[in-house]
Amino acid sequence: GAVVSQHPSWVICKSGTSVKIECRSLDFQATTMFWYRQFPKQSLMLMATSNEGSKATYEQGVEKDKFLINHASLTLSTLTVTSAHPEDSSFYICSASQGAQATEAFFGQGTRLTVV
Amino acid sequence: AQSVTQPDIHITVSEGASLELRCNYSYGATPYLFWYVQSPGQGLQLLLKYFSGDTLVQGIKGFEAEFKRSQSSFNLRKPSVHWSDAAEYFCAGGTDKLIFGTGTRLQVFP
Repeated sequence: GAVVSQHPSWVICKSGTSVKIECRSLDFQATTMFWYRQFPKQSLMLMATSNEGSKATYEQGVEKDKFLINHASLTLSTLTVTSAHPEDSSFYICSASQGAQATEAFFGQGTRLTVV
Repeated sequence: AQSVTQPDIHITVSEGASLELRCNYSYGATPYLFWYVQSPGQGLQLLLKYFSGDTLVQGIKGFEAEFKRSQSSFNLRKPSVHWSDAAEYFCAGGTDKLIFGTGTRLQVFP
């Protein structure tokens, strides 16, 4: 099956710094990538949808200036958590799709962000 | 509003016992439906999916799920659970976006 890789798998950063998470589709071209956030022992919540070459579409309540998403190529999308604070600590998961539908997407292994 | 509900937060079964994890959905039309499994600290692995056609869907690792329109359900089943099946299971539904249920944590006792 298709492989989606996230990097890093985990990261610890100081409060106030920015952190970049990468999501790569290794063996297919991803027209659309989806970013999810998962709080401990909770479900996944869609944060935003990104399409290659255009601005991301953010879900209601997600601060686009806080969570910068770039989808510069068909194999790479990045999520940058800017001026991170402890409440941003979470598990972030991306998925990538050749088409526009989340139903066709494959998930990455996730990134554990801890802000201290 | 569209929603996916997993009524059971935590289920414990003995190894070798049968398993059924419940999932109910609420959509205007029949959505695409999925079951994913997540091991601690890991991403999601797709177990199976239903788009249309045969309402009994076979997946990986011996899992199956049955779509029942009359009950708005898509329950996941396995006839004999292995200790390695212990994980978090998520039901999801949608079309252009996926809505996830809150998950069911499966614990397996030897």
